[in-house]
Amino acid sequence: DSGVTQTPKHLITATGQRVTLRCSPRSGDLSVYWYQQSLDQGLQFLIQYYNGEERAKGNILERFSAQQFPDLHSELNLSSLELGDSALYFCASSSGQGAPGNTIYFGEGSWLTVV
Amino acid sequence: LAKTTQPISMDSYEGQEVNITCSHNNIATNDYITWYQQFPSQGPRFIIQGYKTKVTNEVASLFIPADRKSSTLSLPRVSLSDTAVYYCLVGDGAAGNKLTFGGGTRVLVKP
Repeated sequence: DSGVTQTPKHLITATGQRVTLRCSPRSGDLSVYWYQQSLDQGLQFLIQYYNGEERAKGNILERFSAQQFPDLHSELNLSSLELGDSALYFCASSSGQGAPGNTIYFGEGSWLTVV
Repeated sequence: LAKTTQPISMDSYEGQEVNITCSHNNIATNDYITWYQQFPSQGPRFIIQGYKTKVTNEVASLFIPADRKSSTLSLPRVSLSDTAVYYCLVGDGAAGNKLTFGGGTRVLVKP
């Protein structure tokens, strides 16, 4: 158990719909990362938040948005869903203070299926 | 951000040692090298992290030459359960740095 909690674990929704994925970081971690992993693909970095502020952005679509709340949990919002958005979405957290010892820990992911 | 290059796949047999080399030619002074293991449909799991020379823990060793432009993850005496994708990640983990994973190495351990 990494200490990073993601909900829901599985989600099936229709094209055009909107979903929200939730992440609770490890206790004490200030940084939250979101990654997308499609079937048999690598981990695509989407976005990073640190203590409530966006700090780094990857190849995140305009239809996707995220935020980190004062209690440090984060939500990834996916809208106008397309079939190609079907993927495993991972949240990871770290202290955000830099190495050494600044390892990122991943949750078990939220599996999104768009039909 | 340092880009990493790893072999796409490697096959091995139970009981053998597996060595996976990652190239990171433009590693920065503050960057550390971290390796992760990922099983299908699971989140990546931290294996080992190092800065230079050699680091060893209960599951693996990490060898980093003096120029730090590459690193080698060594898995001793692998078992079938070590079949997974292994990712090399280079960065200092500070807020604002995109922690971008490369393609990873798919290791298949055969009986």
